Amino acid sequence: QSVLTQPPSASGTPGQRVTMSCSGSNLNIGKNAVNWYQQLPGTAPKLLIYGNNQRPSGVPDRFSGSKSGTSASLAISGLQSEDEADYYCAAWDDSLNAWLFGGGSKVTVL
Amino acid sequence: QVQLAESGGGVVQPGGSLRLSCATSGFNFSIYDMHWVRQTPGKGLAWVAFIRTDGNIKYYADSVRGRFTISRDNSKSTMYLQMNGLRTEDTAIYYCAIGIAWGQGTLVTVYS
Repeated sequence: QSVLTQPPSASGTPGQRVTMSCSGSNLNIGKNAVNWYQQLPGTAPKLLIYGNNQRPSGVPDRFSGSKSGTSASLAISGLQSEDEADYYCAAWDDSLNAWLFGGGSKVTVL
Repeated sequence: QVQLAESGGGVVQPGGSLRLSCATSGFNFSIYDMHWVRQTPGKGLAWVAFIRTDGNIKYYADSVRGRFTISRDNSKSTMYLQMNGLRTEDTAIYYCAIGIAWGQGTLVTVYS
């Protein structure tokens, strides 16, 4: 069971905006930066958002991250078919001394 | 270009051992904390172990503590995971990772 909680799925039609949440505690998200990773089928995870809301070079600005208190969110604007993937949030936990992951949200483009 | 490449996976019987390696290039290895993360096929990501830049601080997931040992050689820009006492539930793809990049993974299969 993941300590960071994500909804198992999200979906939308092309062009729509999709959001997904990541809920933690004061010991992880509340204290440390959140990263978001995209995992396309059959591939390794790829960094999508770091430091709560920063996009690495090459990541489209359709992807955005935010954090408030002990929760974080990832939004995909202008949803495209190639965005079908699993999305994971991650944050360091100062009490467990562990890098925690959410259970992943599977995005489906209808 | 940041690159991480795992090797050393394979098939092993329960109770056996494997040593994974993570060779890196394209960044200053010695200033990055490193992680091992695993993923059972079709399941989510699970953190395995962490090692600080100088190798003096190490943390492990409860499920592997006492059986797995993480280490690094900054002179070779390489990280390792020594896995002893392997169990069927250790079967997974093992990734090495820094926060900003991951390797492609190496598959470890434990079965009798």
